Amino acid sequence: DAGVIQSPRHEVTEMGQEVTLRCKPISGHDYLFWYRQTMMRGLELLIYFNNNVPIDDSGMPEDRFSAKMPNASFSTLKIQPSEPRDSAVYFCASSFRGGYTFGSGTRLTVV
Amino acid sequence: DQQVKQNSPSLSVQEGRISILNCDYTNSMFDYFLWYKKYPAEGPTFLISISSIKDKNEDGRFTVFLNKSAKHLSLHIVPSQPGDSAVYFCAALWGAQKLVFGQGTRLTINP
Repeated sequence: DAGVIQSPRHEVTEMGQEVTLRCKPISGHDYLFWYRQTMMRGLELLIYFNNNVPIDDSGMPEDRFSAKMPNASFSTLKIQPSEPRDSAVYFCASSFRGGYTFGSGTRLTVV
Repeated sequence: DQQVKQNSPSLSVQEGRISILNCDYTNSMFDYFLWYKKYPAEGPTFLISISSIKDKNEDGRFTVFLNKSAKHLSLHIVPSQPGDSAVYFCAALWGAQKLVFGQGTRLTINP
């Protein structure tokens, strides 16, 4: 298994632009999580899905953030419009019976 | 409302000595605690965990201690090795699937 696959690895965009981060979870995992890593708050949970259904999006910072999981093998996190304070590393993780596996992350820089 | 806190952003330890990383939490509903290790440009990987019904769990050089009355846990690494240099995240499991992370502690092992 290739693990959790995130793309792109790095993204540099201008303020105001739309950004889409992608995640392919491990096959058979029934939970998918989006986290954001910042120096101040560490790893923050943004949203998670169970069997493709969003369960808790209370961590999504603003309406500019949205996430979808159209099927069991794909999820997106979209920021529109992006702002410099969104710059961070975004991680996707999937799990089955409590065993989490993280992707390598997407480093987002908004200038 | 940081429910899991790691108050030391960094720690430097000499090779061969003991490394002690600390973590505090506020939510008494957490029923499982985990430590993750993160290298640069990689996602966090699971290191060791402890159930809330135990006070100690040991795995080779790594031991996690839980003090429920103080809402405190710690990770001991002995002896510390250069390959242990990484960022360590404390995490707590809530509702069987939702992982809440601390801010992380950067551990540096000096030769």
